[in-house]
Amino acid sequence: EVQLLESGGGLVQPGGSLRLSCAASGFTFSNYAMNWVRQAPGKGLEWVSIISGSRTFYADSVKGRFTISRDNSKDTLYLQMNNLRAEDTAVYYCASSSCSTTTCEGFYGMDVWGQGTTVTVSS
Amino acid sequence: QAVLTQPASLSASPGASASLTCTLRSGINVGTYRIYWYQQKPGSPPQYLLRYKSDSDNQQGSGVPSRFSGSKDASANAGILLISGLQSEDEADYYCMTWHNSAWVFGGGTKVTVL
Repeated sequence: EVQLLESGGGLVQPGGSLRLSCAASGFTFSNYAMNWVRQAPGKGLEWVSIISGSRTFYADSVKGRFTISRDNSKDTLYLQMNNLRAEDTAVYYCASSSCSTTTCEGFYGMDVWGQGTTVTVSS
Repeated sequence: QAVLTQPASLSASPGASASLTCTLRSGINVGTYRIYWYQQKPGSPPQYLLRYKSDSDNQQGSGVPSRFSGSKDASANAGILLISGLQSEDEADYYCMTWHNSAWVFGGGTKVTVL
């Protein structure tokens, strides 16, 4: 069974840092692009970042503060979040994307999602 | 102006068909984009429904009933999610998404109520 399990969320003060993890199982993790998507309380979905092959992309709202990475030997995706702001408060989901090319330079949208982990930025 | 615009809400009766629109910003041609659709119920993560670019470039999500289908309305510059034979379990938020300027972009979502 394909599964994504996020962890690392919690309460952090403005300006603080947090690292989220997403453990993958049931599929060949290294063959997929991986995303982070967030949802603020009562709001819609907001894409955060994707790592695909050797490339990374970020939403403008997090560029320069968040870093996405992965450890294929551990089947785990990460999101390092620095200089956190109140507006970063959200449920953070990791989600997988199938690759459209062998090197994953091309990819499709998210098809499998985790249950999410909650990040609260407040003093 | 947002890249993708969805109506905030839609109501329909059980058994009816519901057509959800996802309008692309003026100047962005829907014909060149893959449009993805997601369903989200309260307290749950989004579920992938399908993607649609053309009749030859589309995919149904795993286990997604065939009564969910995608299409485009070129004249309206919009992607469309059609839900046929609406059921009470279809009551949820629906989001469209596309890849634009090196970023995934979501629409604001449509809340579907089954009366």
